[in-house]
Amino acid sequence: QKEVEQDPGPLSVPEGAIVSLNCTYSNSAFQYFMWYRQYSRKGPELLMYTYSSGNKEDGRFTAQVDKSSKYISLFIRDSQPSDSATYLCAMSLGLSNQFYFGTGTSLTVIP
Amino acid sequence: DTEVTQTPKHLVMGMTNKKSLKCEQHMGHRAMYWYKQKAKKPPELMFVYSYEKLSINESVPSRFSPECPNSSLLNLHLHALQPEDSALYLCASSQARTGAGNTIYFGEGSWLTVV
Repeated sequence: QKEVEQDPGPLSVPEGAIVSLNCTYSNSAFQYFMWYRQYSRKGPELLMYTYSSGNKEDGRFTAQVDKSSKYISLFIRDSQPSDSATYLCAMSLGLSNQFYFGTGTSLTVIP
Repeated sequence: DTEVTQTPKHLVMGMTNKKSLKCEQHMGHRAMYWYKQKAKKPPELMFVYSYEKLSINESVPSRFSPECPNSSLLNLHLHALQPEDSALYLCASSQARTGAGNTIYFGEGSWLTVV
């Protein structure tokens, strides 16, 4: 079983929709949870970072962590065509140098 | 804009060439990383430097040689690569300590094509 599982999609939504992206994980020791946005042929850009369980909001983006279910989500409100990208989740144990990535979900927002 | 800068952005090299990828970060991070990423795949860890010392080498072939001249710079020297080494090479950095705030920041990548 992989440490981190992420549905690869592709996911296609109309402009203005609410998007829900999800990852599950198997290691209950993960403490730090990250979401990255990656445009084609570019490096991943850090979108959201959360520590332990709970919600965190930044503009149109909300990151949610449910440690009891080993499940994290990223919600995008009022989605825009510029949100079309691959979204990667990542997690760490809190120890240095160890990061675990999902496989990425490809999102297309149709104008 | 990313605070991890990579050069060159694109590189085409022959299988007998020697080239280098360069990375610089100014966030005061003491851990730096090289990742390799193929299309539609997540980043795959190659090397980690912590406090300028190589701490992780994920069984990468010797045709890839990392170098960390100081806490802000990271190089990846390339020699006698194969076409299957064509990929996006990502440099990243993080704080090299436990505790809150430990997340990883990526550069824009160097797109390498081996011909």
